[in-house]
Amino acid sequence: GDSVTQMEGPVTLSEEAFLTINCTYTATGYPSLFWYVQYPGEGLQLLLKATKADDKGSNKGFEATYRKETTSFHLEKGSVQVSDSAVYFCALSDRAAGNKLTFGGGTRVLVKP
Amino acid sequence: GAGVSQSPSNKVTEKGKDVELRCDPISGHTALYWYRQSLGQGLEFLIYFQGNSAPDKSGLPSDRFSAERTGGSVSTLTIQRTQQEDSAVYLCASSLAGAPTDTQYFGPGTRLTVL
Repeated sequence: GDSVTQMEGPVTLSEEAFLTINCTYTATGYPSLFWYVQYPGEGLQLLLKATKADDKGSNKGFEATYRKETTSFHLEKGSVQVSDSAVYFCALSDRAAGNKLTFGGGTRVLVKP
Repeated sequence: GAGVSQSPSNKVTEKGKDVELRCDPISGHTALYWYRQSLGQGLEFLIYFQGNSAPDKSGLPSDRFSAERTGGSVSTLTIQRTQQEDSAVYLCASSLAGAPTDTQYFGPGTRLTVL
């Protein structure tokens, strides 16, 4: 079945540092890929998505490119802020698996001033 | 506009009791999903409703769990004879048409604690 693997945290960074969170996937069909974020005390919200190979999703300074050849969707941000402290979830949705979201385990990111 | 709402926000119950959790999706969204977020299992799919089609119940962990969606809108997740391992945050999400490319919008969740 479908699965998503992302790097375990916590990841601790200083403000203005570069952030990368690795995400790889296994899917039976042609999935859409998502990054969701959960800020402290808040619900899950979409950060960005890409629906086909080579698409780049971007939002709030974050980017991720759908790489079919490496089955990856790594999240990057060039200069993090304290407000980026959150838990980040990589996920996929695949029609062959019923359109539900399959999530990675989540990566907690802590940005220190 | 209004997002996905869930009630109650917190529920504490005793082992063996039944509980009902409610979800109001975004108006006009035909697809509704239930997920569970727990420390040991992460985020896991439970059940999916799409329009008038039969629901995808493949994620329900046992026959103690059931869900219905009335009138294509509000959904209720029922857990019978609750166990301590049912303690988790139960999340509801909705999307416009249930396509894999659609964004799923999540509610704030119901935190269930089984004593």
